[in-house]
Amino acid sequence: DIQMTQSPSSLSASVGDRVTITCRASQSISSYLNWYQQKPGKAPNLLIYAASSLQSGVPSRFSGSGSGTDFTLTISSLQPEDFATYHCQQSYSIPLTFGGGTKVEIK
Amino acid sequence: QVQLVESGGGVVQPGGSLSLSCAASGFTFTNYGMHWVRQAPGKGLEWVAFIRYDGSNRHYADSVKGRFTISRDNSKNTLYLQMNSLRAEDTAVYYCAKDSGSGWYGNWFDPWGQGTLVTVSS
Repeated sequence: DIQMTQSPSSLSASVGDRVTITCRASQSISSYLNWYQQKPGKAPNLLIYAASSLQSGVPSRFSGSGSGTDFTLTISSLQPEDFATYHCQQSYSIPLTFGGGTKVEIK
Repeated sequence: QVQLVESGGGVVQPGGSLSLSCAASGFTFTNYGMHWVRQAPGKGLEWVAFIRYDGSNRHYADSVKGRFTISRDNSKNTLYLQMNSLRAEDTAVYYCAKDSGSGWYGNWFDPWGQGTLVTVSS
């Protein structure tokens, strides 16, 4: 199974900050890496697919990069509505696996 | 718009069975693979099962293999998850999610349903 490791597991940041979340795969997954945002009590919502493609309707302050084993999700200027948990997920092999999540909290 | 609505969650005793449904609308259901993903209370996301657009291929997480069965009725635009021999560790919110394509490789989940809570407890 491919293990997905996210870091940090949580972070505190202020509105306007630049935030970077890292996801590392235990083996190469090419660019088959997706990012989801989840708010409390809600279903996850797709942000980024195929490592760097922005899902329609998602604000341009979100961006993704990386390939192989190392990936990043960047929020260029954190907004109040961005406080949530972020999950990465690989679609290179079965079983499909997620990172442990990164909770972004208000400083 | 694309909509997925899960139902069937509830409280069940260990060793019991439960069947979940996911009603799909707003897209051509017969063209897309579908998934079940779960989230235990306060925990991360765990992929559970996948079924190809035509039902010809299915995959399961090791944690549910042999106990859970994913199926679909394309005439009813509905996805199912039959859960048998339930354990306490199966307690979670279960989400259905549409695959971005007909298979799973290189794809993503979009959108997700609102989820249905399954609690396994005596």
